[in-house]
Amino acid sequence: AQKITQTQPGMFVQEKEAVTLDCTYDTSDPSYGLFWYKQPSSGEMIFLIYQGSYDQQNATEGRYSLNFQKARKSANLVISASQLGDSAMYFCAMREGGNNFNKFYFGSGTKLNVKP
Amino acid sequence: DSGVTQTPKHLITATGQRVTLRCSPRSGDLSVYWYQQSLDQGLQFLIQYYNGEERAKGNILERFSAQQFPDLHSELNLSSLELGDSALYFCASSTGEMGTQYFGPGTRLLVL
Repeated sequence: AQKITQTQPGMFVQEKEAVTLDCTYDTSDPSYGLFWYKQPSSGEMIFLIYQGSYDQQNATEGRYSLNFQKARKSANLVISASQLGDSAMYFCAMREGGNNFNKFYFGSGTKLNVKP
Repeated sequence: DSGVTQTPKHLITATGQRVTLRCSPRSGDLSVYWYQQSLDQGLQFLIQYYNGEERAKGNILERFSAQQFPDLHSELNLSSLELGDSALYFCASSTGEMGTQYFGPGTRLLVL
């Protein structure tokens, strides 16, 4: 089974609107971390936000928030007030503990296009 | 700028050759991770070092090896290169063993 699933290969959003990028994960480890990264066309990977499995509250970083639903094993990224510079690939990732200590898994990514 | 540096930025070589990719982590970071990003395989975790010791291994081929030196910089050695090794190789670093990772700009390898 895929560890990280991103079901939206591509998405469009109007500038200034909010957008949700979906991510589901698969792990039996009670301790894990979830990450979102942005990769613009220039190629670099930019860390956006982190959520630990034991964190009680959803993580937020500026216009980014992570909608963490543990029972559903989902960790959707919400970008509020989209900007043209948000156009990029977005990757969801997971770090497991336990026997798979410190292994990282990335989803296939979602390409977001922000329209003016 | 994440503070992680990688050299070289681009590398073109031939099948069967060997190359070395270099990574300097952010100041104070003890962990270094290596990733391969290719069009068909996506982003694949290769290996992690923490303070000089190997900590986790992902989908790293036997033809590939890595190490982390006392000054904490790391090198990824790719040998007997094949066309399919053409990819973008990222290095990332984190403060602790399991912290948030900050990525370098990557080394783009083209094997002809």
